[in-house]
Amino acid sequence: AQSVTQPDIHITVSEGASLELRCNYSYGATPYLFWYVQSPGQGLQLLLKYFSGDTLVQGIKGFEAEFKRSQSSFNLRKPSVHWSDAAEYFCALSGGSYIPTFGRGTSLIVHP
Amino acid sequence: DSGVTQTPKHLITATGQRVTLRCSPRSGDLSVYWYQQSLDQGLQFLIQYYNGEERAKGNILERFSAQQFPDLHSELNLSSLELGDSALYFCASSVEGTGVNYGYTFGSGTRLTVV
Repeated sequence: AQSVTQPDIHITVSEGASLELRCNYSYGATPYLFWYVQSPGQGLQLLLKYFSGDTLVQGIKGFEAEFKRSQSSFNLRKPSVHWSDAAEYFCALSGGSYIPTFGRGTSLIVHP
Repeated sequence: DSGVTQTPKHLITATGQRVTLRCSPRSGDLSVYWYQQSLDQGLQFLIQYYNGEERAKGNILERFSAQQFPDLHSELNLSSLELGDSALYFCASSVEGTGVNYGYTFGSGTRLTVV
């Protein structure tokens, strides 16, 4: 079975501060990993994905994520947060069935 | 605009009724996926169609059914609706059958409220 855990339901940061959103997964092999962002009233938008190779992946909007096999983690980072980054962030995993399992999401609140 | 079109955006209906949600995938995408998003369950995969054929099934209730038509648009039919069916229903599409190479493109969802 595959699962994704996002330990933080809410994260609050100040504009301009750095950000790290945590994602832990459970899967028996190397999974396909994704981060999506959902703005209010919108669908999910793909930020970045990891399949293999370089464990640090770059995405859109200045986001990056690092795959750490030893920690079963795929944390999302951004060096300087903008107010427009306030949204819900979802980590997802695709295993052998290819149908992704999504985490419960982390709500990012940005203070001015 | 993601290119995935879902209609209607909002739907309010009574318990016991039946509704149909419609999804037009992004141009060129052959796969359509349906997801249900609720506060208590998060994002739950319901069903996938690829080029008109059912490809995978998730936690879809027997009261729910879906199909993908020759023009690749898809419909999700929900019947004998219960209060607990109130949720956001998302459609996503992908070019290939797995969605792993390019990820999914999501529509903006249909918010269903059962009263």
